[in-house]
Amino acid sequence: EPEVTQTPSHQVTQMGQEVILRCVPISNHLYFYWYRQILGQKVEFLVSFYNNEISEKSEIFDDQFSVERPDGSNFTLKIRSTKLEDSAMYFCASSEMMMLGTDTQYFGPGTRLTVL
Amino acid sequence: AQKVTQAQTEISVVEKEDVTLDCVYETRDTTYYLFWYKQPPSGELVFLIRRNSFDEQNEISGRYSWNFQKSTSSFNFTITASQVVDSAVYFCALTLSNDYKLSFGAGTTVTVRA
Repeated sequence: EPEVTQTPSHQVTQMGQEVILRCVPISNHLYFYWYRQILGQKVEFLVSFYNNEISEKSEIFDDQFSVERPDGSNFTLKIRSTKLEDSAMYFCASSEMMMLGTDTQYFGPGTRLTVL
Repeated sequence: AQKVTQAQTEISVVEKEDVTLDCVYETRDTTYYLFWYKQPPSGELVFLIRRNSFDEQNEISGRYSWNFQKSTSSFNFTITASQVVDSAVYFCALTLSNDYKLSFGAGTTVTVRA
């Protein structure tokens, strides 16, 4: 069964460093998403991406964050200058359909980011 | 703005007991979609079910069942004859027909003891 994959599973970085989190969505999916989950809290939407551009972003997704689809398979989240409060589990998700809201988002296993 | 409330923070049961997880949602939209996801201790988010707002039929899948009631804005989830492998955090989520994002509830931690 096709699945979303994410690398690395755990990333430790120093405050102020740049990190890139990588995702390979399900191959025939057209919509891509990033969410984050601070330890013990709810899952929060960061950004959605379609047709090589951001379609929606939350207020969490400030100028320190960017997303990119550098090739036909990868989808990346970059945090330019990490802060302690960026420590969280970051989930990538993808969905197939063109119609908003109607399709199921399938999640990857997550990348745990620890900022020291 | 939409909101999902899972009032139960933690539920602990003994194996073979039934457990019901409550989910109450708020939205002004008439078309929306409700989801349940499971997050086992390993951390991934596993899709369980999607329900459209215009389909109030309840659903059963093995030991899982869902009760959708628009009149009370609830989408409750029952695990029948719980097993230790059901121990996880369960999230209810909502998305609108004109929206990209899932809005998650705070989650309910289910612990099934042998």
